[in-house]
Amino acid sequence: GAVVSQHPSRVICKSGTSVKIECRSLDFQATTMFWYRQFPKQSLMLMATSNEGSKATYEQGVEKDKFLINHASLTLSTLTVTSAHPEDSSFYICSARSTWQGPSGGSSSYEQYFGPGTRLTVT
Amino acid sequence: GENVEQHPSTLSVQEGDSAVIKCTYSDSASNYFPWYKQELGKGPQLIIDIRSNVGEKKDQRIAVTLNKTAKHFSLHITETQPEDSAVYFCAATPRTGRRALTFGSGTRLQVQP
Repeated sequence: GAVVSQHPSRVICKSGTSVKIECRSLDFQATTMFWYRQFPKQSLMLMATSNEGSKATYEQGVEKDKFLINHASLTLSTLTVTSAHPEDSSFYICSARSTWQGPSGGSSSYEQYFGPGTRLTVT
Repeated sequence: GENVEQHPSTLSVQEGDSAVIKCTYSDSASNYFPWYKQELGKGPQLIIDIRSNVGEKKDQRIAVTLNKTAKHFSLHITETQPEDSAVYFCAATPRTGRRALTFGSGTRLQVQP
């Protein structure tokens, strides 16, 4: 259980084009998903929190108009890198936290499960 | 906001030896501390976690200890094997709000056969 997939796993695009990355929770529902970026030999940096049915919350310094996030369902979030430039080349990773309806309302787990990542190269 | 520091940045051990990685956190409101293993070109994999209401948790060769007073937690791997070689990240998350993870800088563990 707790499997998160990402598509594509690897993408090369030309400077100025846009790229969409999908993140899916395969066997659980996720009200909240997170998008991270990781540069070589560095830690994961949170870019934004994706909330189903509402606007994403972006971290300081992350351009919301450049990194468009859509969380259309409880199992799918997408990250679109618009007008990509070589400096956007990185490893993009999503994570998801399972959510369920308890007797007194919604609840979510602490555990976050990560996707396999998407390697973006902008030429 | 939360700040997580992790040491050492690299660790080399002989197969069969133990490995210990330490992290400190700054936000006393944090109450969930997971550890992730990341192999080259892959996403992080949750290997063990601990909540602030316990001091130690063990799962076969892996254990995590937490000292809330000192705000530090550690990962212990016993009887290391070559397949344990990877980058390990600690993280912390607060009890409320978005509960987003703040990661440490990572430890590259190399187990020499």
